[in-house]
Amino acid sequence: NAGVTQTPKFQVLKTGQSMTLQCAQDMNHEYMSWYRQDPGMGLRLIHYSVGAGITDQGEVPNGYNVSRSTTEDFPLRLLSAAPSQTSVYFCASSYSGQGFFGETQYFGPGTRLLVL
Amino acid sequence: SQQGEEDPQALSIQEGENATMNCSYKTSINNLQWYRQNSGRGLVHLILIRSNEREKHSGRLRVTLDTSKKSSSLLITASRAADTASYFCATDEGNNRLAFGKGNQVVVIP
Repeated sequence: NAGVTQTPKFQVLKTGQSMTLQCAQDMNHEYMSWYRQDPGMGLRLIHYSVGAGITDQGEVPNGYNVSRSTTEDFPLRLLSAAPSQTSVYFCASSYSGQGFFGETQYFGPGTRLLVL
Repeated sequence: SQQGEEDPQALSIQEGENATMNCSYKTSINNLQWYRQNSGRGLVHLILIRSNEREKHSGRLRVTLDTSKKSSSLLITASRAADTASYFCATDEGNNRLAFGKGNQVVVIP
């Protein structure tokens, strides 16, 4: 299994440009999520999905859109990039979300985004 | 919201020594997890402890959880240079979200 894959690894955008960060997993996981990681801020949840067709907002959703048309893919769209969106973005997945027994989240390698 | 808060935030130790880091949180949780992140890489799950558990071991890792104090500790015994990484605690409040702390940088000097 490839696990969680993310593309691209690195991207430079100009302010106002749009782009889609791709995330795919081959583990048949129902739960997928996007985080951003900034220095000194840890990881902050942007959006998550508990299954195909179901998405919800996390802690910092503004400026980002998501959709989940298949179990495998969970793309993150930046509609109009801003310098404040310069960050490292991580996609993660787990079998069926979080519950009392908890579940391991599997992370992708990350996408480094620079917005000029 | 950022729930877990690791302490100390930076730790430098000699190879072979033990490394201890703490995590505090604010609300009730279902479980708490610890992750490791090597420089420039994604996070890797280390260990999960449920709210009804007090201590858990995995290899050289020992995790404790004190729900009355809303705190957890991660102990790495006999540290190795390969343990150099950032360590994050993450709390599960049962709302389909994990809330990560800001991380704890550990440097193990050979």
